[in-house]
Amino acid sequence: LAKTTQPISMDSYEGQEVNITCSHNNIATNDYITWYQQFPSQGPRFIIQGYKTKVTNEVASLFIPADRKSSTLSLPRVSLSDTAVYYCLVGSHNTDKLIFGTGTRLQVFP
Amino acid sequence: NAGVTQTPKFRVLKTGQSMTLLCAQDMNHEYMYWYRQDPGMGLRLIHYSVGEGTTAKGEVPDGYNVSRLKKQNFLLGLESAAPSQTSVYFCASSFPGEAEAFFGQGTRLTVV
Repeated sequence: LAKTTQPISMDSYEGQEVNITCSHNNIATNDYITWYQQFPSQGPRFIIQGYKTKVTNEVASLFIPADRKSSTLSLPRVSLSDTAVYYCLVGSHNTDKLIFGTGTRLQVFP
Repeated sequence: NAGVTQTPKFRVLKTGQSMTLLCAQDMNHEYMYWYRQDPGMGLRLIHYSVGEGTTAKGEVPDGYNVSRLKKQNFLLGLESAAPSQTSVYFCASSFPGEAEAFFGQGTRLTVV
């Protein structure tokens, strides 16, 4: 499983765009990049997954450069309710283990 | 449709006591996982299962045992609880090859 590196924490203000970058230098050809969000006292929930280029859904966008050694989760116009820990995971669809790193703690201020 | 349900939600144990945490999912998922999360830390995989009757060790399996006798249930056992096992335990389930895993609400366990 590819090792991932994320910033430990980030701060933002309401209405700003937040970009959280994840490094995964050893990503394999068959690996996908998946992001989860965890609110305090809750289990993580899936946000988005991508393989290359850009993926967008109603919650976030995921940007993956051509070399795929990093990825960026983009949260447009954050609100206080986006305060959470965000985890980047890398693995193939054949992976039977979900390994979480330490995640990035995002704090949104009014 | 309940999703993933963990029982109990809270528990206090004395050192040396045993207990079993139950995870039940109603989504017919093949894969199930048990994690622990210590304060301010990420999730660490304890054990997981890729199907009924199968289990495998994760990152931190010592001091825990698991069983998957039925597809919908995944049990996590502590034979002799230690204060170091004080944590929040999360269960999750997913289909093979699917990006999205579904998590329960967690069990807060305190060992005194």
